[in-house]
Amino acid sequence: NAGVMQNPRHLVRRRGQEARLRCSPMKGHSHVYWYRQLPEEGLKFMVYLQKENIIDESGMPKERFSAEFPKEGPSILRIQQVVRGDSAAYFCASSPQGQGGSYEQYFGPGTRLTVT
Amino acid sequence: AQSVTQLDSQVPVFEEAPVELRCNYSSSVSVYLFWYVQYPNQGLQLLLKYLSGSTLVKGINGFEAEFNKSQTSFHLRKPSVHISDTAEYFCAVSPLRGTDKLIFGTGTRLQVFP
Repeated sequence: NAGVMQNPRHLVRRRGQEARLRCSPMKGHSHVYWYRQLPEEGLKFMVYLQKENIIDESGMPKERFSAEFPKEGPSILRIQQVVRGDSAAYFCASSPQGQGGSYEQYFGPGTRLTVT
Repeated sequence: AQSVTQLDSQVPVFEEAPVELRCNYSSSVSVYLFWYVQYPNQGLQLLLKYLSGSTLVKGINGFEAEFNKSQTSFHLRKPSVHISDTAEYFCAVSPLRGTDKLIFGTGTRLQVFP
């Protein structure tokens, strides 16, 4: 059973470009979470999605960031008009179902975004 | 709202020595507690979790943690560390009722020296 897959592993964008990060959850998992890790900091929750639904986006910046988890295909985190402050590692995690955090979240290897 | 404090940003220790990584949390509701490990340039791997029951939780790689409700702490311990334990360790909480998001501490870098 393959783990959580993220691609690309490394992404370089110039200021003003769009960044698109993909996450394929583990087989059988219908819940996806995105976290951001800034240099020398812990992970910060961004958004929680189920298939075709955004459940909690309380950690998403109000502008330029969006996320989706379509019925078919991977979850996508999209950052429009990137700025240097968006440089970070973005981690995706998946779990089989919710119910208050008792189910383990399995993390992918992350996408390291560098904005030049 | 919940918050997690990891009091030590770095912990240097010699191989085969015991180690304790401290974690305190603040929450107005009951929470689940987790410890994750992150090796360089990799994702996070779950070490152990406390959901309910016995307050002493055993995890992988010889680690264990003890939940102390009165002190709102969940310290991680290992009686004898190896060089391969060198990594970043994150404590996290998740509310029992809610959207399952994990709230992380800022991490503790464990550096094991020969």
